[in-house]
Amino acid sequence: AQSVTQLDSHVSVSEGTPVLLRCNYSSSYSPSLFWYVQHPNKGLQLLLKYTSAATLVKGINGFEAEFKKSETSFHLTKPSAHMSDAAEYFCVVSFFGANNLFFGTGTRLTVIP
Amino acid sequence: AAGVIQSPRHLIKEKRETATLKCYPIPRHDTVYWYQQGPGQDPQFLISFYEKMQSDKGSIPDRFSAQQFSDYHSELNMSSLELGDSALYFCASATGDSYSTDTQYFGPGTRLTVL
Repeated sequence: AQSVTQLDSHVSVSEGTPVLLRCNYSSSYSPSLFWYVQHPNKGLQLLLKYTSAATLVKGINGFEAEFKKSETSFHLTKPSAHMSDAAEYFCVVSFFGANNLFFGTGTRLTVIP
Repeated sequence: AAGVIQSPRHLIKEKRETATLKCYPIPRHDTVYWYQQGPGQDPQFLISFYEKMQSDKGSIPDRFSAQQFSDYHSELNMSSLELGDSALYFCASATGDSYSTDTQYFGPGTRLTVL
């Protein structure tokens, strides 16, 4: 069975400190993996994606994620949090390209001034 | 750059009424997906279309139907609305079919409230 698990429903960091949002997936196939961000009352914005190319993926706004097949993980990181990073982050998995995305339950990131 | 357009952005209906949501994909995108996001929940896939044909079906209720038109825009028709249909409905567009597309781009969503 294919699934995606976000290990933390809520992460709180101080401004200027590193961000780590954890995501694990389960798949019998080679997945495509995405991170989307949703700001309050806004749509979903693609942060970055992994589609079997480089395992370290750089995205927008200073975010990056590393695909680790041995750990079935795709954690999202950022060296220094900014107030504008406060939002809901979804780890998303797809099989066979980007068809039928399966969303994790989301991690709400709070950034403390 | 042009993005996915959804209309209306907000819609208020009463129980048992009908609603139609529209989605205009990014130019030259031929695939459209619909998702439903309930309050505090993650988006759930409803249905998708590629080249005006239904390509896949998720957890879409029988009361809902959708289609993709010749200009690639899509409409989600919802009948006999229930309170539980209140949600944010996202449309996403992409290029290619199930096996070749690699990224879905989401619209801002339509917030449907059923009273």
